[in-house]
Amino acid sequence: DAKTTQPPSMDCAEGRAANLPCNHSTISGNEYVYWYRQIHSQGPQYIIHGLKNNETNEMASLIITEDRKSSTLILPHATLRDTAVYYCIVRPSSSGTYKYIFGTGTRLKVLA
Amino acid sequence: DAGVTQSPTHLIKTRGQQVTLRCSPKSGHDTVSWYQQALGQGPQFIFQYYEEEERQRGNFPDRFSGHQFPNYSSELNVNALLLGDSALYLCASSWTGANSPLHFGNGTRLTVT
Repeated sequence: DAKTTQPPSMDCAEGRAANLPCNHSTISGNEYVYWYRQIHSQGPQYIIHGLKNNETNEMASLIITEDRKSSTLILPHATLRDTAVYYCIVRPSSSGTYKYIFGTGTRLKVLA
Repeated sequence: DAGVTQSPTHLIKTRGQQVTLRCSPKSGHDTVSWYQQALGQGPQFIFQYYEEEERQRGNFPDRFSGHQFPNYSSELNVNALLLGDSALYLCASSWTGANSPLHFGNGTRLTVT
């Protein structure tokens, strides 16, 4: 079973920030949080990952709470092309566990 | 810099047949993973290959087998196809570093009739 919980769907107005939450209350100290998105008929696209510090790249920002039990992916200025299913995944950083366990994700719809 | 490439993009097979799917990893990556994605579901881990060996396997029957070649490319073989094997098969590559994120191809859509 997935170790994360996400809302099944969200809407966001074009040009506004999209904030996608993820709950991972059972996360362990060596587990990273990864975010991916999947646009219809394509493979999942890597967005960002982090351990405990906030992270930012050209696509998004990742905010992880101090207790690491939840995180938020922020798309600062959502466009129609950001409409996709967003997956939050936790995975240990140590060797021995290599698989990602995907949940059902959040279906984000960006509205014009 | 080419990303992960998979072939073919679409495939139709008959129940009981065998199929081989192919994957070329992103340049610089040495590890290949395979996932199965049924319609409306998240991807499910099949197995991962590193140094031409299966390193970890998910909950899939022995009908699913794989191979990794010295150039890091990989094949997924499925024998005795069932209707339930109809899905999008995704290949993902990464560098073997523990925190290296997976990079996925766009998959092979397999339909079993």
